[in-house]
Amino acid sequence: EDKVVQSPLSLVVHEGDTVTLNCSYEVTNFRSLLWYKQEKKAPTFLFMLTSSGIEKKSGRLSSILDKKELFSILNITATQTGDSAVYLCAVEDNNAGNMLTFGGGTRLMVKP
Amino acid sequence: GAVVSQHPSRVICKSGTSVKIECRSLDFQATTMFWYRQFPKKSLMLMATSNEGSKATYEQGVEKDKFLINHASLTLSTLTVTSAHPEDSSFYICSASSWPSGYEQYFGPGTRLTVT
Repeated sequence: EDKVVQSPLSLVVHEGDTVTLNCSYEVTNFRSLLWYKQEKKAPTFLFMLTSSGIEKKSGRLSSILDKKELFSILNITATQTGDSAVYLCAVEDNNAGNMLTFGGGTRLMVKP
Repeated sequence: GAVVSQHPSRVICKSGTSVKIECRSLDFQATTMFWYRQFPKKSLMLMATSNEGSKATYEQGVEKDKFLINHASLTLSTLTVTSAHPEDSSFYICSASSWPSGYEQYFGPGTRLTVT
């Protein structure tokens, strides 16, 4: 059974801080790992990672995957109040029609 | 943590037929359930929000007569794709929350629908 665990569950920081969100996983037949940002209802896609050691970057956000140790991190530098959201990690399984398994999310609050 | 299941995990149907997808919250009561469709490049599109015992609220551009949503109990919501068309082939994901606002959503594993 596929499993995704995110940590921490929640995090409170001040603007300008740098945060690192963790995602560890177990999956039968790994295809990809996805990061989403959820502010209201629909999660917004951030990154898709398929290869180890290759950093994906978008503005102040970056993410990297370690397929040997089965984890990924999402970094946010110079945080802003607009970064406050739930960050979701999901892994895609090649079996069962590319089934997605989501982690429980990390709730980030950025204070002014 | 809270567990949400979907059934079936994958289904193949012929054009013109209808297919029902179930979403269940296994260990909590879901006041609100959400249905998403995953498009290429992994974006998730919210289709509708359903609250137990009331009609679903559909997002703009989603045909409510084509995608029928029922939230009959606090642990079960169903999505029925009617008169399925190959363009409906996609990955459908539900999430459930015990909060009306959708705070703390828990996602199901998704259902892969293929319409031939």
